[in-house]
Amino acid sequence: GAGVSQSPRYKVAKRGQDVALRCDPISGHVSLFWYQQALGQGPEFLTYFQNEAQLDKSGLPSDRFFAERPEGSVSTLKIQRTQQEDSAVYLCASSLIDGNTEAFFGQGTRLTVV
Amino acid sequence: RKEVEQDPGPFNVPEGATVAFNCTYSNSASQSFFWYRQDCRKEPKLLMSVYSSGNEDGRFTAQLNRASQYISLLIRDSKLSDSATYLCVVNIGGFKTIFGAGTRLFVKA
Repeated sequence: GAGVSQSPRYKVAKRGQDVALRCDPISGHVSLFWYQQALGQGPEFLTYFQNEAQLDKSGLPSDRFFAERPEGSVSTLKIQRTQQEDSAVYLCASSLIDGNTEAFFGQGTRLTVV
Repeated sequence: RKEVEQDPGPFNVPEGATVAFNCTYSNSASQSFFWYRQDCRKEPKLLMSVYSSGNEDGRFTAQLNRASQYISLLIRDSKLSDSATYLCVVNIGGFKTIFGAGTRLFVKA
């Protein structure tokens, strides 16, 4: 596709519900990043994939967060048993090579946990 | 201490003004530096990379001081359309890219 696509754009979840957020990176991009952005803050790193390999998941806030990219293209960020503090915008970005090259962001998924 | 720190802002300036943002980073092994722009409720987009020798793109000038570990962005002749949040971004090796919290700029007519 022309850019990074994320779905859904908006998600309202009841506390305790599981959610799955999808990211379609730019075709051919090796690197895929997930970020969490709270209101008024910059994006906070969650996890990184190089092709299908998850090389860093140090930013995931808890073991309720899980990400995968099984075929090295589409990625899914799953949050189990959502809590109110999980409410944020989840941004996905891809880059051709690594973090030294421009990262292209999707429009994000705004998650609200009620 | 955060790995990347920026001026807190917000900066409120009139059209035509010159405004400068600073950013400091803590990891001396940092390799690449960028400024991203983020409009309200939009995704971040690359504004410009920052090179050791400094670089200019139209009204925008970015500078890097490795010894002091800071990066700056200068905007000359501010336009209303420059109103946005400016994110300082540092790559500390490979994929590890850290964003600052952002500096908000409001340009008024």
